[in-house]
Amino acid sequence: GAGVSQSPSNKVTEKGKDVELRCDPISGHTALYWYRQSLGQGLEFLIYFQGNSAPDKSGLPSDRFSAERTGGSVSTLTIQRTQQEDSAVYLCASSLVQGATGELFFGEGSRLTVL
Amino acid sequence: QQQVKQSPQSLIVQKGGISIINCAYENTAFDYFPWYQQFPGKGPALLIAIRPDVSEKKEGRFTISFNKSAKQFSLHIMDSQPGDSATYFCAASMGSWGKFQFGAGTQVVVTP
Repeated sequence: GAGVSQSPSNKVTEKGKDVELRCDPISGHTALYWYRQSLGQGLEFLIYFQGNSAPDKSGLPSDRFSAERTGGSVSTLTIQRTQQEDSAVYLCASSLVQGATGELFFGEGSRLTVL
Repeated sequence: QQQVKQSPQSLIVQKGGISIINCAYENTAFDYFPWYQQFPGKGPALLIAIRPDVSEKKEGRFTISFNKSAKQFSLHIMDSQPGDSATYFCAASMGSWGKFQFGAGTQVVVTP
């Protein structure tokens, strides 16, 4: 595809359930990021991948959150035992080059609602 | 703690007017300052960016002003148009791998 693709676009789940959010970055982009956007808030960094490795996981809120990237392409963000405070839009972004000046291309996000 | 503070939270401007959004940062190691524009239901998109070695950068109707000593930077939208109505985020990053600290965002509404 031409842009970053995320699925599902919307997910409603019950508290305590596990969810998986998928990100398909722009082809050839080696850097991949996950951010979280809560209602009325800015974007909160979660994790960064360079290739398949994650040199920075410092933004993951708790050990219920994990992410992986395979084949240097698709990434999955998993939230276990979801809580109501996990409700947010989860944004994925990719970048052609490593480094701050590599423009981040964002997907449209996965809106997660935990009841 | 929020490393990049953005104001105002919201802004209403008439068509043709100037929109000004301000950001302040704490970490002097930041070396890249982008602005992102987000429309409802869409992901943010890069609008314009600046490095601290210049004090101003202009692209069309959008200008970033940067004050290194004050650790502040701002976005000016000249001749604001209804199509500029969106949420604007400032950000800052350092190092080689592009982890961004974002401001809380400013919702701009341009009235016809």
